[in-house]
Amino acid sequence: DTGVSQDPRHKITKRGQNVTFRCDPISEHNRLYWYRQTLGQGPEFLTYFQNEAQLEKSRLLSDRFSAERPKGSFSTLEIQRTEQGDSAMYLCASSPQGASGTEAFFGQGTRLTVV
Amino acid sequence: AQSVSQHNHHVILSEAASLELGCNYSYGGTVNLFWYVQYPGQHLQLLLKYFSGDPLVKGIKGFEAEFIKSKFSFNLRKPSVQWSDTAEYFCAVIFNAGKSTFGDGTTLTVKP
Repeated sequence: DTGVSQDPRHKITKRGQNVTFRCDPISEHNRLYWYRQTLGQGPEFLTYFQNEAQLEKSRLLSDRFSAERPKGSFSTLEIQRTEQGDSAMYLCASSPQGASGTEAFFGQGTRLTVV
Repeated sequence: AQSVSQHNHHVILSEAASLELGCNYSYGGTVNLFWYVQYPGQHLQLLLKYFSGDPLVKGIKGFEAEFIKSKFSFNLRKPSVQWSDTAEYFCAVIFNAGKSTFGDGTTLTVKP
């Protein structure tokens, strides 16, 4: 499968613990996005990389959240000191660099449950 | 602020009925428009997209959408739905280069 892959698919953690998610984009895609989706809502933008540079962060991304994309390939999203409100589906997407507006290809997401 | 709104949260149709899902956005500049579908247990997949040119775009599985710039709308249509179209549908708009802004989605249930 050459699509976007995310790991793990599900994560249950206790409040206060740190969690890290991984995303492997489609190999030739320069752009990588993280979104968060809660029940009844559409995906909300969190952050975006072009190659290894983090170009934009949403104000939804508190200082407990950090994302990296070393070497411009896979990316990690870490949440420190998790809170119950962090429970959501975390989606990763990638797109090729090109004219503005290229569609994003999504992974299956990591479902986080904070108990 | 730039936003996307989908009017119908849940639509229930019988097979062979026609479908129209509304999507409006608020932004006066150039936009790129998308409809994504999420089947149960699967990831978001692109149904169709509009960048420029003919405002009536055709996508996969018999879906089409029409961009009406004066109404800031990009409604999704299908003349005859099937049970397999049961899914969640998301309208998305790129206002600036890079990220997409999504509507809250419409859940479509097609009764056999």
